[in-house]
Amino acid sequence: SQTIHQWPATLVQPVGSPLSLECTVEGTSNPNLYWYRQAAGRGLQLLFYSVGIGQISSEVPQNLSASRPQDRQFILSSKKLLLSDSGFYLCAWSRIGTGNEQYFGPGTRLTVT
Amino acid sequence: EDQVTQSPEALRLQEGESSSLNCSYTVSGLRGLFWYRQDPGKGPEFLFTLYSAGEEKEKERLKATLTKKESFLHITAPKPEDSATYLCAVGGSNSGYALNFGKGTSLLVTP
Repeated sequence: SQTIHQWPATLVQPVGSPLSLECTVEGTSNPNLYWYRQAAGRGLQLLFYSVGIGQISSEVPQNLSASRPQDRQFILSSKKLLLSDSGFYLCAWSRIGTGNEQYFGPGTRLTVT
Repeated sequence: EDQVTQSPEALRLQEGESSSLNCSYTVSGLRGLFWYRQDPGKGPEFLFTLYSAGEEKEKERLKATLTKKESFLHITAPKPEDSATYLCAVGGSNSGYALNFGKGTSLLVTP
């Protein structure tokens, strides 16, 4: 069976500090990978998706970036955090192709102070 | 642009009191409509995928149905452990790999 991991589970960072969130998937090959942000009272917002190693598509302009150094590893980064970056960050995977259900990880709660 | 609206925003039920959650959508070329359950502080858990009008899926006390404009999540004889936020999402032919999520319905089932 497939498993998706995210770490850390919670993170408190000062404004202007760097960020690195990691996501790994087990039990599947060549997955599509996604980063979402969920802010209080708002729906899930897709930030990035990847259909393969080194292939990253950005959905929303921001000071965040993503990388996929390995097939089942997805990293969300920032050089300098803003207060508005606070939120619940979710990684998800799906089978290749469009119209497939996405399976979510446990999430990372980020608070920027 | 794809749009998803869920109603009601919040719903409180007595244990055993059946009800339905609504997901209204507009999408160009539906590729799939998805229902998820999300518990506080956790990632969404996949429940169902519906692809075409008239399709129905069931899992325990939950049943999802789909028309050309909306989907319903019917909850029969709910239990307190069904309390959660239920999210609806659509994928359309113009949205590529993105799913467009509604804001969810927060369900509370009291004993």
